[in-house]
Amino acid sequence: DAGVIQSPRHEVTEMGQEVTLRCKPISGHNSLFWYRQTMMRGLELLIYFNNNVPIDDSGMPEDRFSAKMPNASFSTLKIQPSEPRDSAVYFCASGTRGYEQYFGPGTRLTVT
Amino acid sequence: AQTVTQSQPEMSVQEAETVTLSCTYDTSESDYYLFWYKQPPSRQMILVIRQEAYKQQNATENRFSVNFQKAAKSFSLKISDSQLGDAAMYFCAYRSAMGNNNDMRFGAGTRLTVKP
Repeated sequence: DAGVIQSPRHEVTEMGQEVTLRCKPISGHNSLFWYRQTMMRGLELLIYFNNNVPIDDSGMPEDRFSAKMPNASFSTLKIQPSEPRDSAVYFCASGTRGYEQYFGPGTRLTVT
Repeated sequence: AQTVTQSQPEMSVQEAETVTLSCTYDTSESDYYLFWYKQPPSRQMILVIRQEAYKQQNATENRFSVNFQKAAKSFSLKISDSQLGDAAMYFCAYRSAMGNNNDMRFGAGTRLTVKP
């Protein structure tokens, strides 16, 4: 099993640009999670999906952030427009109900 | 809402010695799961150990074991025979086993340094 796959691994962009982060969960997992990690705020849950349906997006910081899961094997997190304070490591994780979450390698986003 | 507290921002241990990382949590639920994750400098989040709340027996994975005290809502991680590769951030996490709630709550983390 390849594990959770995220792309890109690193992203550097200028303020105001659109950023799209991608995630492929582990096959057979029906839950998918997007997290953001910063030194100041630690690990924050942004949104999670069960069976491709968004269940809780209360962690999404503002309307500039959006996430989709068009099918069981793909999800995107989009930031439009991006701001320097969005700089962080973004993790995608997948799992099944009641079990641990498996994390991807993360995407380090830098907005200048 | 459930909260997870790790009161030790940093810990250090001598190689081959034993160290215990603390974690407490707050919940009104009776059925849940607890986890310890390790995040080395590569930043990959790696599951270390898992505990089901309904199990009285403490989980063990090789050199890693937990002390689960349900009444006290405490879930500490013990690392025996510490190795240099154990140096990392360690996160305690809580996950409900009830309903459709699949999200996981993480503590702020403890940075473990292993001295040779």
